[in-house]
Amino acid sequence: QKEVEQDPGPLSVPEGAIVSLNCTYSNSAFQYFMWYRQYSRKGPELLMYTYSSGNKEDGRFTAQVDKSSKYISLFIRDSQPSDSATYLCAMRQGGSEKLVFGKGTKLTVNP
Amino acid sequence: DTAVSQTPKYLVTQMGNDKSIKCEQNLGHDTMYWYKQDSKKFLKIMFSYNNKELIINETVPNRFSPKSPDKAHLNLHINSLELGDSAVYFCASSPRRGVVERTEAFFGQGTRLTVV
Repeated sequence: QKEVEQDPGPLSVPEGAIVSLNCTYSNSAFQYFMWYRQYSRKGPELLMYTYSSGNKEDGRFTAQVDKSSKYISLFIRDSQPSDSATYLCAMRQGGSEKLVFGKGTKLTVNP
Repeated sequence: DTAVSQTPKYLVTQMGNDKSIKCEQNLGHDTMYWYKQDSKKFLKIMFSYNNKELIINETVPNRFSPKSPDKAHLNLHINSLELGDSAVYFCASSPRRGVVERTEAFFGQGTRLTVV
C-alpha cells in the first residue's frame, strides 16, 4: 500500500460546480497536510495548509483533515476555468522535512 | 524577483553525458530540496539540505550528486545519464522549522530533462 493514495482522475466539471478532491494515507504519524496546485508546465504552488485534524477555509477553498479515517479533502466552491490544473495532496510527519505527495488529480473546469 | 529559480528550464542530452542543474532561492530559507516528477506526474523527494548540510537522501543512484555551496544554492549534478532519468526536476525551499510554523515548500518552475 502506498503511503498516500490519490485518484488521478481526470475530473471534468462545469463552471460553477463544487469540486471535491480527496487523498487517503496509511502513515498515522503524518501531522501536516497540504494541497498544492500545479498548472501545466509549472511548479507546484501551495494552496492550503492544515495542521492535524479540522477544517480550514480560504475564499472558495476548504481543506478538511480527518486523522481518525486517514482522509483529507479539498473542496472548491463556484469552480472557475482558471481552477483547471493538477491538484496534489502532500503531507509530512512532525519533525521531518520530507513531503510525501499523492499522484495528483487533474481537474478541468469547463466554461 | 523570482523566489526559487532553476536553470536551465529545458535540457536535452544524450545517454552517457554528465549534466548539471542549478537552483537559487532568494527567500532566505534554510532548507532546500530536489524533487523528481516522472511522466505520470508523481512527485518524489530526492535530496534535502539544511544550511548546506545533507539531511535527506532518498535512495537515489550515486550518479546523482547534490552540491550546496551556500544556503541559497543547491545544484544537482548527474553523471552517466540514462533514458530513465528523463523527468522534470524541481528545486524547492522552505523556512527552518521552529522559526515559523508554516514550513511548507516553495517550488521552482522545474527543469525538463530529456535523455535521448
